[in-house]
Amino acid sequence: IVMTQSPLSLSVSPGEPASISCKTSQSLQHSNGYNYLDWYLQRPGQSPQLLIYLASSRASGVPDRFSGSGSGTDFTLKISRVEAEDVGVYYCMQALQTPDNFGQGTRLEIK
Amino acid sequence: QITLKESGPTLVKPTQTLSVTCTFSGFSFNNDATGVAWIRQPPGKALEWIALIYWDDDKRYSPSLKNRLTVTPDASKNQVVLSLANTDPADTATYFCAHVSWTSGSFDFWGQGVLVTVS
Repeated sequence: IVMTQSPLSLSVSPGEPASISCKTSQSLQHSNGYNYLDWYLQRPGQSPQLLIYLASSRASGVPDRFSGSGSGTDFTLKISRVEAEDVGVYYCMQALQTPDNFGQGTRLEIK
Repeated sequence: QITLKESGPTLVKPTQTLSVTCTFSGFSFNNDATGVAWIRQPPGKALEWIALIYWDDDKRYSPSLKNRLTVTPDASKNQVVLSLANTDPADTATYFCAHVSWTSGSFDFWGQGVLVTVS
């Protein structure tokens, strides 16, 4: 399954919204109705952390300014109001079937 | 609380075998339906999924690496060992292990990673 993220980089002012798209070459919807799409954030010098799983569920401890949406082959991560700590690279990953594939990553910087 | 930590040699010569050990706590292959994934990241590049082992010894490998890759569990020590044979400088990367959520397949806990240089 090929994962295509866009944009590959974005620069956002604090307090402004941000949106990242992830498109997949095959549907990620399982027969159980769930879409097996995750979002991860890798802050500079750190390990990745899980933000969103099953396309729209926030992981434990993730602020509610992060939200995930989409179904099938088209997914979006939205940050309602960007903060300085949101800087890093965002990756989508499909968990429907192995090999689990990551997107190319989207680098977010603060203006 | 689930934690994972990678360890192993940080410098490997080309053609040698790279071995990284993931030591974990907070879950067990003996008692929990779960898994451990391996992900690597060359310097300045994107994440690459390379392997996954489930609690029932089901193993999955990246098609591009499967001829060189082996994942071995040691349930008694709460460890999983990644071995990559016949290495090349292109295998230089930070190697991460991560806990796999049984319900979603997500990587919900990650180790700190270990940078292995092939040179």
